[in-house]
Amino acid sequence: DIQMTQSPSSLSASVGDRVTITCRASQGISNFLAWYQQKPGKVPKLLIYAASTLQSGVPSRFSGSGSGTDFTLTISSLQPEDVASYYCQKYNSAPFTFGPGTKVDIK
Amino acid sequence: QVQLVESGGGVVQPGRSLRLSCAASGFTFSTYAMHWVRQAPGKGLEWVAIISYDGSSEYYTESVKGRFTISRDNSKNTLYLQMNSLRAEDTAVYYCARARAPFDFCLDSWGQGTLVTVSS
Repeated sequence: DIQMTQSPSSLSASVGDRVTITCRASQGISNFLAWYQQKPGKVPKLLIYAASTLQSGVPSRFSGSGSGTDFTLTISSLQPEDVASYYCQKYNSAPFTFGPGTKVDIK
Repeated sequence: QVQLVESGGGVVQPGRSLRLSCAASGFTFSTYAMHWVRQAPGKGLEWVAIISYDGSSEYYTESVKGRFTISRDNSKNTLYLQMNSLRAEDTAVYYCARARAPFDFCLDSWGQGTLVTVSS
């Protein structure tokens, strides 16, 4: 099965900073990569699908890129409401594995 | 609007069974594949199972194969997860979620989750 890794596992940044999270698949998955945001105590929310397509209603400061095995999620200007854990997920075929997550805090 | 409401969680002894339900509304349930995802306390997300829109195909994560069964009743707009031979490591919040589109299996709508605690 394809394994998903993320880095870093956690980060702390200032409001307004540009934040980048990396996700890597152990084998190529084309662009079948989604990103989810889970705020503390809340349900996960789809942010990006097809590696770079913003889900409806998601602020434009979020963006995704990549294809094959290497992907990134970027927050162009970190806001206090972005404090959350972020997960990538492969969905080209089962098992639809999630990455281990990246916890984002405000410095 | 899409609504997914899980039920059936609770405290159960190791080795026993539990059936979770997920009532769907606000969309044409019979045209979407559906997932179960779980999250152990303080841990990350773990994909558990998927069922096709018509129930003809199912896939599972390795750790639940042979113990869990995903099913659906399209006449009742309800998704199920039958969990047998439960273990302590199955303790988690279980979410049902909708696949975004036919042949697009990312998860675009999630329920609030139901907590399953496996403990003696």
